[in-house]
Amino acid sequence: GEDVEQSLFLSVREGDSSVINCTYTDSSSTYLYWYKQEPGAGLQLLTYIFSNMDMKQDQRLTVLLNKKDKHLSLRIADTQTGDSAIYFCAESPPRAGNKLTFGGGTRVLVKP
Amino acid sequence: NAGVTQTPKFQVLKTGQSMTLQCAQDMNHEYMSWYRQDPGMGLRLIHYSVGAGITDQGEVPNGYNVSRSTTEDFPLRLLSAAPSQTSVYFCASSKARGAMTQYFGPGTRLTVL
Repeated sequence: GEDVEQSLFLSVREGDSSVINCTYTDSSSTYLYWYKQEPGAGLQLLTYIFSNMDMKQDQRLTVLLNKKDKHLSLRIADTQTGDSAIYFCAESPPRAGNKLTFGGGTRVLVKP
Repeated sequence: NAGVTQTPKFQVLKTGQSMTLQCAQDMNHEYMSWYRQDPGMGLRLIHYSVGAGITDQGEVPNGYNVSRSTTEDFPLRLLSAAPSQTSVYFCASSKARGAMTQYFGPGTRLTVL
C-alpha cells in the first residue's frame, strides 16, 4: 500500500536550520520529491532524490533518504521568512507512471 | 509560456449543480492530471490522462468526469456537486510518462453549499 506521513507543523527562527521529516511505506518507490506551496499558490517542485541515493544537496536544501527506515527529510539551512510555506513530500512508485502519492504537508512558520 | 492555467480561481455552487473546472497548458505536455487538496490530507489524484483521447481514474474519481480532446486542455466536470466536493483543485502536467517534473496550476477553490 501507499501511505506518506508528515508532521503537521514546524516553527523555526529566522537564520536557524529547518528539518522536515517524512515517512513512506512503498519501499519500491523510484523517486521521492519535496514540493513547496506558498499561500494561495500551486505546488512548486523544490527537489527530488532518486531511490539509489542517500543524500542530495542543492544550495540551502539537503535531502536525506534512509531506505531501510523509509524515512525522507528536507533540511533548509539559514531559514528565511520567504521559506514560510507548506512542504509536501511525495513518492512515485514504479509502474505508477507520473502518479504521485503525497503526504499531508508540513506547515513551516519562520519567525523573525 | 503561460504554463498551467486554471479557471475559475474561486467558485461557489449549490448542492446538485454542475460545473466544469478548466485546465490548460501550453507546454505541449502529454501527461495531465487533476488533484484535490483537503486539509491535512495532501493531494489526492482524481483523474489523469497520458495523452489526447486517453483518460484514467485516480484514487478518488467518484463524482467527477474528464475528457481530453486536445493535448492542451483537460477539463474536470462535476455532474452533481455535493458538499464533500468542497476542496481546492489542482491541475498538473508533465512532458511524458515517468517525467520527474510536474507543473502545477494555481488551483481552483470550490465551495459546495
